[in-house]
Amino acid sequence: KNEVEQSPQNLTAQEGEFITINCSYSVGISALHWLQQHPGGGIVSLFMLSSGKKKHGRLIATINIQEKHSSLHITASHPRDSAVYICAVYAGGTSYGKLTFGQGTILTVHP
Amino acid sequence: KAGVTQTPRYLIKTRGQQVTLSCSPISGHRSVSWYQQTPGQGLQFLFEYFSETQRNKGNFPGRFSGRQFSNSRSEMNVSTLELGDSALYLCASSQTGYTEAFFGQGTRLTVV
Repeated sequence: KNEVEQSPQNLTAQEGEFITINCSYSVGISALHWLQQHPGGGIVSLFMLSSGKKKHGRLIATINIQEKHSSLHITASHPRDSAVYICAVYAGGTSYGKLTFGQGTILTVHP
Repeated sequence: KAGVTQTPRYLIKTRGQQVTLSCSPISGHRSVSWYQQTPGQGLQFLFEYFSETQRNKGNFPGRFSGRQFSNSRSEMNVSTLELGDSALYLCASSQTGYTEAFFGQGTRLTVV
């Protein structure tokens, strides 16, 4: 079983819909990233959080440390949101600079 | 503020050759991590450097090595290339190795 699990693996939505992507992890962590990857490869950091909730524009990320679970929400989705969304964690201890990644969620938003 | 810069963006090499990839971190960031991304294995951690010292290493063979210079720029070297080394290689920089990571655009390596 992977240390970081995302669901769903594929998600199709119509423009304007509210989207939720979930991430569960089985290890102790110091922080969690939500990342976005478009075709062509580059990865963009959307959020890093270690507790509570963060909001940036139409994106909201939450984390529940006790339940080892995080969610990424996209309000009023748009076709330009189509990308792969990846959850990644910094484990504690001496895992310097090492992110452990989920398998990614492929999001397609249709106009 | 300039982002993380990786060069080159694309490379084609022949089996048995060696290759060096470069990563320039965001100014002020002292931690540089390297990752390999393949369709089958996803994103996997190679190693991390902080202030010219390798602090952490993933489960890759010794053919994969790296170094970091005093200006925090990092290079990754792969010797005796194999077909399975074809992948997108990404570097990420952060201030400490535990703060927010910022990724480069990646170097796409094809081994033929």
